[in-house]
Amino acid sequence: KAGVTQTPRYLIKTRGQQVTLSCSPISGHRSVSWYQQTPGQGLQFLFEYFSETQRNKGNFPGRFSGRQFSNSRSEMNVSTLELGDSALYLCASSAGTSGSLMEQFFGPGTRLTVL
Amino acid sequence: AQKITQTQPGMFVQEKEAVTLDCTYDTSDPSYGLFWYKQPSSGEMIFLIYQGSYDQQNATEGRYSLNFQKARKSANLVISASQLGDSAMYFCAMREPRGYSTLTFGKGTMLLVSP
Repeated sequence: KAGVTQTPRYLIKTRGQQVTLSCSPISGHRSVSWYQQTPGQGLQFLFEYFSETQRNKGNFPGRFSGRQFSNSRSEMNVSTLELGDSALYLCASSAGTSGSLMEQFFGPGTRLTVL
Repeated sequence: AQKITQTQPGMFVQEKEAVTLDCTYDTSDPSYGLFWYKQPSSGEMIFLIYQGSYDQQNATEGRYSLNFQKARKSANLVISASQLGDSAMYFCAMREPRGYSTLTFGKGTMLLVSP
């Protein structure tokens, strides 16, 4: 069974640009969550999608957005990039339905550098 | 308020020795899940072990075991017979039902295994 895949693995952008990251969950998983990891703030939750609906959102500005498609693949978009957006962006998939406590499986991450 | 606390920024252990990584958590929900993840320098988060709040037995997965003390709200990871490949960052995380699939992570502990 294939794991969680994320593309691209590395990205370099300049301030003011926008970026789109993609995540394909494990086959059969309907929940996709996104996390941002920085040395200063650690791992922070961005948002979670389940069956094409955003059902939870972290404390990030509106420049961060996402969506999920009918095949459960998810994309996140960051507009008007800032230097502080440089981070490792991790996607995680879970089979769990609402309230489930099943484990999440992470992808390899996309390392975004903003110059 | 911080929900997951990992008090050890770094730990050193010799190969073949056992090591305990500390984790304490805070929640008012009776139903929750506790996870440990390993993150090598490549960045991918690798799921190690899971403990449900209602589980009577401590979780074990190969060389990994979770010392779950519910009354003290602690969930320490024990790695037996350390190997050089165990050198990595280790994160404790908690998932609560009302947070859907959201994981709250601790700051992590860097484990270095020496020959």
